[in-house]
This record gives sequence, C-alpha cells and structure tokens, in this order.
Amino acid sequence: AQTVTQSQPEMSVQEAETVTLSCTYDTSESDYYLFWYKQPPSRQMILVIRQEAYKQQNATENRFSVNFQKAAKSFSLKISDSQLGDAAMYFCAYRSKGGSEKLVFGKGTKLTVNP
Amino acid sequence: DSGVTQTPKHLITATGQRVTLRCSPRSGDLSVYWYQQSLDQGLQFLIQYYNGEERAKGNILERFSAQQFPDLHSELNLSSLELGDSALYFCASSVGPGAAYEQYFGPGTRLTVT
Repeated sequence: AQTVTQSQPEMSVQEAETVTLSCTYDTSESDYYLFWYKQPPSRQMILVIRQEAYKQQNATENRFSVNFQKAAKSFSLKISDSQLGDAAMYFCAYRSKGGSEKLVFGKGTKLTVNP
Repeated sequence: DSGVTQTPKHLITATGQRVTLRCSPRSGDLSVYWYQQSLDQGLQFLIQYYNGEERAKGNILERFSAQQFPDLHSELNLSSLELGDSALYFCASSVGPGAAYEQYFGPGTRLTVT
C-alpha cells in the first residue's frame, strides 16, 4: 500500500519570503499522480498543484512550484512571495494511475505566514 | 465554490444514533468519493461510487454504508455512532473513473458525536 509522509507538522514564513514544504511517499508503482492540496480555515480542500510521475518537468502554478525527485520519492512544494492568504494546512497526496482513484494523504503541514 | 454540495454543514448527535450525510456532485460528474478527516487518522478514503455502482472501498467501517442514486447524488449512512466517529466528512466528485480527472471537494459535513 502507498504511504505519504509529511515530516513538518508546522512551518512559518515571513510575508513575501519563500518557503518549502516537504513530502515523501512510498510506492512500488512506476506511474502515478502527486498533488498538493490547501485547506484554509474555511476547511475547503483546494487543489494547488498536480504532478504526473512520468513527466520529468516540475509542475508550476503561478507562485507555487514543486521539486519532484522520482528516484528519491520526494515531492516538495515551494511557495514564492508568500502572502497572508497562503496560511493554511497543506496536504500532500498520492493517486495511482490504475485501479482505484482514491487519494492517499499525508498528515499535513500547518503553514503560518507572518506579516 | 467547487460545485459540490454537502448537507448538512454541521451535525450534532448522540452515541448510538444513526445519521445520513448527503452529497450532490458537480454537474456532469459521475464519480463520487467519500473521505473522513479526523485528528487521529487524518484524511482517509472511505468509498467511491461511479454511476451508481460501488467502485472502490477503503477504510470504511461496517457500521457505515453509502449509495449513489440514479440522479447521481450520494448518501453516507453512519449508524451506531461512537465518539470516535466525530470528524469532518468530505465528498468529492470527478468526471469519471480515470485517474487523470481531478477530484473536486465539497465543503464537508462536521459530525460531532456526544
């Protein structure tokens, strides 16, 4: 079974600075999807960014980018120019390409943005 | 707004009771997923339906059951409730069973068992 580990329960960053959230995963599959979801205090789960394992290029969405290291099974999220609205819980998630489309989540990292 | 609706937003009930959580997927989405978010277990997949049929099962207790109706809305039934069932229950939907399709999450139902 796949597992996802987020080793940083909490992180903080100054407004306008850059922060990196870590995620590692364990799988025997060669093709899969990885995601970062944001959960603000409203509790809504919001997709931040998605990476397909067979694509070597790291995904980027505006101020959000990932560092995907397939061999190391590492998938970190970099937030540039942090804004107060980025404060939230961030969850890393894994999804197989075949079989069930269930998402396997890490425990999450609580990000605080200081003004 | 993801387009996925869940009712009720909050539910407070006593141990031993039974509740039903309702989810309406985005227009056009055929797959519905249920997830449970608790302090102890984090976010866990419970069950998936596709076009009315059960497609995948996760860590769902025998006291819990779900179904998807012909109009594609889904209900999650929780019975013989225990204190440990207190959690946030999310419904998500996607176009179909293909892994490439994004799952859109509803706002969740907060269940408190007293």
